[in-house]
Parts: sequence; C-alpha cells; structure tokens
Amino acid sequence: DGGITQSPKYLFRKEGQNVTLSCEQNLNHDAMYWYRQDPGQGLRLIYYSQIVNDFQKGDIAEGYSVSREKKESFPLTVTSAQKNPTAFYLCASGRQGSGELFFGEGSRLTVL
Amino acid sequence: LAKTTQPISMDSYEGQEVNITCSHNNIATNDYITWYQQFPSQGPRFIIQGYKTKVTNEVASLFIPADRKSSTLSLPRVSLSDTAVYYCLVDLYNQGGKLIFGQGTELSVKP
Repeated sequence: DGGITQSPKYLFRKEGQNVTLSCEQNLNHDAMYWYRQDPGQGLRLIYYSQIVNDFQKGDIAEGYSVSREKKESFPLTVTSAQKNPTAFYLCASGRQGSGELFFGEGSRLTVL
Repeated sequence: LAKTTQPISMDSYEGQEVNITCSHNNIATNDYITWYQQFPSQGPRFIIQGYKTKVTNEVASLFIPADRKSSTLSLPRVSLSDTAVYYCLVDLYNQGGKLIFGQGTELSVKP
C-alpha cells in the first residue's frame, strides 16, 4: 500500500546524544516536511524539501538537520544542540503546490 | 506570509452542525485553502480543500467568500468521533512550498 512511514514510533534519548528519525514515502511525492508538535500545541515547521538534494529551513530549524539524498527518504537528526527535544515529530509528503499533505503516524521522542 | 487565525476551541453536541471559521487576510491569488483533522498522537488527516465558493465532499463542506479572506469548514451532524483538532492551512503557492499550520481549533462533541 502507498503511504508514509515514520520510525521509530517511540524513542528515548539521553541528553547530549544525537538521534535520527526516519521518514520514508512511496507516494512519489516531491515535497517532504518535518513538523514538531508539543503537548496541546499546533504543528511547527522544522525543515522542508521540494526536491532531491535540496531543503529549506522552517521556523524552528535550530538544533536539527536533514538530508534528502533520495526522493523517498527525508531523515531528521535531532542534535545535542536542540535544547528541548522532547516532542512529537511528524513527517509529511505532498505534491508540490497542492497543499494536500499526507502524514506519517509520528515519532515521539523523550529525552531522559 | 499568509497567517491563519482560528478559534482555539469549540463545543458542540451530537447531531448538530458545526462551523469553524478561519481568517487568512493576506491570502495570495494562487493560494488554496486546506483543512485537516488531527486526533491525539496521530498525524493530521486531509479533510477538504478549496479555492473559492463552495466545495463539498462526503465528510464536510467548505465555504469561501468572494474576497477569500476567510473560510468556513462545516461538519454536518457531528458525532463523538468528530472530537479532534481542526487546522486550516493556506497553501503558500508563491512561497516555495513553505506550509505553516495555525494553532488549530479543538472541537469537543458532547453526548
């Protein structure tokens, strides 16, 4: 089935460690996005990519990094520079300019 | 950038029609308006999208006035399972694909 897959669903990390969240889609979408959601809050854009080998910072990119080496994949690394990384992370993909996003089930990161 | 403003929360009862309005005063000519539904600990799900006038699908209607500075999502005869957060999103066609969500409206449907 076509869709977007995030892994892991739950992740625990010690302070000072980098972690990478996986996002894979088989919808043949050019655009991919990473959002962060804190409890009771809306979605905040971290990074987005419209095409392979190119990506742009969103509103809260500090402490995060991404790569887009393949159309299907857009991994997010939460670095030790991110001061408050505990959150729910959502990956999405869509056709350019369509405004219709398909979301993964999310990855919940907890820093111990 | 087009900014969206929605009510933070709304209450309703089963069987009622619910209308959620979103303001987007500086929407650009080519921008589409899309609404999403999100349940706790899940990714948002597409509900409906429109550009102008009225759009209807099997779950909702979307009303957009001529000036397009606002839009209203209409949910007919809500049930308890419609309790969720609803987001309107303006597709920033001319902004390189940067999609910014607003705060969303938390809808609570009571029996």
